[in-house]
Amino acid sequence: GIQVEQSPPDLILQEGANSTLRCNFSDSVNNLQWFHQNPWGQLINLFYIPSGTKQNGRLSATTVATERYSLLYISSSQTTDSGVYFCASLRDYGQNFVFGPGTRLSVLP
Amino acid sequence: DVKVTQSSRYLVKRTGEKVFLECVQDMDHENMFWYRQDPGLGLRLIYFSYDVKMKEKGDIPEGYSVSREKKERFSLILESASTNQTSMYLCASNPGTVAGEISYEQYFGPGTRLTVT
Repeated sequence: GIQVEQSPPDLILQEGANSTLRCNFSDSVNNLQWFHQNPWGQLINLFYIPSGTKQNGRLSATTVATERYSLLYISSSQTTDSGVYFCASLRDYGQNFVFGPGTRLSVLP
Repeated sequence: DVKVTQSSRYLVKRTGEKVFLECVQDMDHENMFWYRQDPGLGLRLIYFSYDVKMKEKGDIPEGYSVSREKKERFSLILESASTNQTSMYLCASNPGTVAGEISYEQYFGPGTRLTVT
């Protein structure tokens, strides 16, 4: 099955800094999703991005499916960006995902 | 807004107990999922359901069962809890289709942190 890797595993930033999180997947994927889990455990969808680039405020994501990776950019980071960021690849069946191990981001004031 | 609720935020059970984790969604979603989250492993799918009374095994179904008697409710059952089932359990739902198009968006509950002693 599809394997999903994420890097770095941990990231500490000063407020205002920019960062790039990476997601690699082992096989061609039809689509990819980024999630954010806040420090209280709540997971929310950030981007559904099978290919190309999307932007939402200070966050943007790019997926290059042919090269099997996706990037999540966070600009001008804020303390509320802290938490764990997961990428997940849709399985080749159904509407559920294989998740990567996550990147834990800590933004310091 | 979609709301997915889980019966408990924190739960402590003893080895061998039968444990029920309940999940309810209020948006008439077709699909529901149970994941467990462990450090360094991300989320792993335990079971999912595409319809009432229907269930499919995920990646790690051993030691778990599920029940979906009503569309809005998906229960995860630990028949005989063991210490290696100590984890964060997350429920999610998905509408299936939106305006005739397949939707991949998953809505998560707040999670239940289960400790088995």
